[in-house]
Order: sequence, then C-alpha cells, then structure tokens
Amino acid sequence: QVTLKESGPVLVKPTETLTLTCTVSGFSLSNARMGVSWIRQPPGKALEWLAHIFSNDEKSYSTSLKSRLTISKDTSKSQVVLTMTNMDPVDTATYYCARMNIVAPVEYFDLWGRGTLVTVSS
Amino acid sequence: SSELTQDPAVSVALGQTVRITCQGDSLRSYYASWFQQKPGQAPVLVIYGKNIRPSGIPDRFSGSSSGNTASLTITGAQAEDEADYYCSSRDSSGNHLWVFGGGTKLTVL
Repeated sequence: QVTLKESGPVLVKPTETLTLTCTVSGFSLSNARMGVSWIRQPPGKALEWLAHIFSNDEKSYSTSLKSRLTISKDTSKSQVVLTMTNMDPVDTATYYCARMNIVAPVEYFDLWGRGTLVTVSS
Repeated sequence: SSELTQDPAVSVALGQTVRITCQGDSLRSYYASWFQQKPGQAPVLVIYGKNIRPSGIPDRFSGSSSGNTASLTITGAQAEDEADYYCSSRDSSGNHLWVFGGGTKLTVL
C-alpha cells in the first residue's frame, strides 16, 4: 500500500523554525518517475504549492517563500523533510506532502498525505 | 510565475451536467490536473493529463482543454460530488514550479 504521512509540531511560536517530516511507504524516493512536494492550505483558503524534491535530489521552491524554505530527503529512511524559518501567524495552515508521478509530459500529484495542521501562535 | 483562475462557486442540479473551468497562461504549455476536496479531507486526484481518470474515479468525471482554459466536467452530478475542486499545473516560467487555482466550491442542488 502506498502512503504518505506528515508529522511535526502542532503549535509553533512566531519567529520559530518549523520542521515537518513526510514518511512515505510503498514506493522509493529514488524512483526516477517520482518526487515529493509540500503543499499547504490555510483554514478556509486555497492550496498553495511550497517546494518539491526530485529523485535525483534536485529541489525547487515557491518563488515567494524560497528564502524561508529548505527541502531535503533521506532515501534510506523514506522521509522528506521541510523546514520553514521565521514562522508567522499567517503561516497557520494544514501542511500536506504529495507524491508527484512523472510520465513525461504529464506530471500529477497522485497521492496525498492526510495533512498536519500547524498553528503559529505565541 | 503563473496564476490559475477558477470561479469561486458553481451550482448544479442533481443529475445535471456541470463544467468547472481553470484559466491560466501555463495551460497553453502544460496539462492541468484536477483535485476534489471534501471538508476535513485531503485532496483527491480526479483527472490528469489529456483526460485520464485514476482508478476508482467515476466516469462521470472528464477533462478537456482549449488554449489557456482547462475544464472539468461532471456529467450527471451526484450529491457526493459536492466539494471543492482545484486545478493545478506546472508554472509557465519553464522552471520546476507548480501552481494551484483558487478553487471552486461545487454545490449540488
């Protein structure tokens, strides 16, 4: 069974750094056809793509958040980690990790984790 | 960067057909994907590529595209189709960036 599961703190204080982990099962992070993205959704608002890591360790980041984000992976642990610095209450959101399947020229997020709600408050 | 624009809300009578649209420059170059999201749940992929449904998605869901507009059509909408729908595609910059539309709230009357 292929799954993704997010984990991390429920509550962080303003200015702190958020670290989230996505643990995947049923596929390998070294599979050339697959990558993992982080996507967030503030309460009642739309989805926002944040960052992506490919099987070859290439990384990409949202233009607007690039200075605050770092994505990495540990293939042996089947984990993808996202860090976001200088957290602010506006960063309160459900954070999802999602698998991207790549069958050129088609790319699609075919599987999502259940998400983890992160609240930023003092 | 790129933006994808969706109508905030659409309604459809039970059993009728509804089209949800997504506009953006990136759609001239890249395929859109469509996601269904029900309250409190993660998004679920319903259409990707030219018009491909993942396993388990009813065939009343279909996708199409023309120019800068992608469409999701539900033929014979059911009560359980009431949800938020999001489109997504690669950013038109040519870099490995992705964007989502603002979402469309579908109400089945």
